[in-house]
Amino acid sequence: AQSVSQHNHHVILSEAASLELGCNYSYGGTVNLFWYVQYPGQHLQLLLKYFSGDPLVKGIKGFEAEFIKSKFSFNLRKPSVQWSDTAEYFCAVNAASSASKIIFGSGTRLSIRP
Amino acid sequence: DVKVTQSSRYLVKRTGEKVFLECVQDMDHENMFWYRQDPGLGLRLIYFSYDVKMKEKGDIPEGYSVSREKKERFSLILESASTNQTSMYLCASNSLGVGQEAFFGQGTRLTVV
Repeated sequence: AQSVSQHNHHVILSEAASLELGCNYSYGGTVNLFWYVQYPGQHLQLLLKYFSGDPLVKGIKGFEAEFIKSKFSFNLRKPSVQWSDTAEYFCAVNAASSASKIIFGSGTRLSIRP
Repeated sequence: DVKVTQSSRYLVKRTGEKVFLECVQDMDHENMFWYRQDPGLGLRLIYFSYDVKMKEKGDIPEGYSVSREKKERFSLILESASTNQTSMYLCASNSLGVGQEAFFGQGTRLTVV
């Protein structure tokens, strides 16, 4: 069975600081990996995803993530955060088949000090 | 634009009541999901359906059942609501194929008193 670990529960940064949020997954086969964001009061939306090809994927709003297969990791990065990045971030994984469960991590709450 | 619509934004129910949460998607997606979201626990999968009348248990199915009689509609049923089922419930859907992300509804905040 798949599982996802997000070790940072709450991260507090100042504007313009660099961001890296950790995500590790557990699954023996080929996976699809996702990062979702939930802004206060809004529904979850996709930031970026990896399913094949270049392990460095770029998403919306300047976010990127790198898939490192040997480490079972898919960390999210942004070189310079803004106050508007305040949100909760979720990493998710599913087995790379057509009908499979999507399993989410426990989330990381990001607070940006103006 | 994909739309996943949950029938209620807020619900208050009494302990022991039977509760129905409805979800409809308009993109002909094969897969549909029900999650509950609790602070510090993230999203936990309750049930997953990959076709009409087909379902699989997720990580926390106890106390819940589901129904999928039509492709676009996926219902979550709390047979006898309890206070520990007070939570935010999220419905999602995605299509078949590699790397297909899930699209989420706005959530139903259920309070059981």
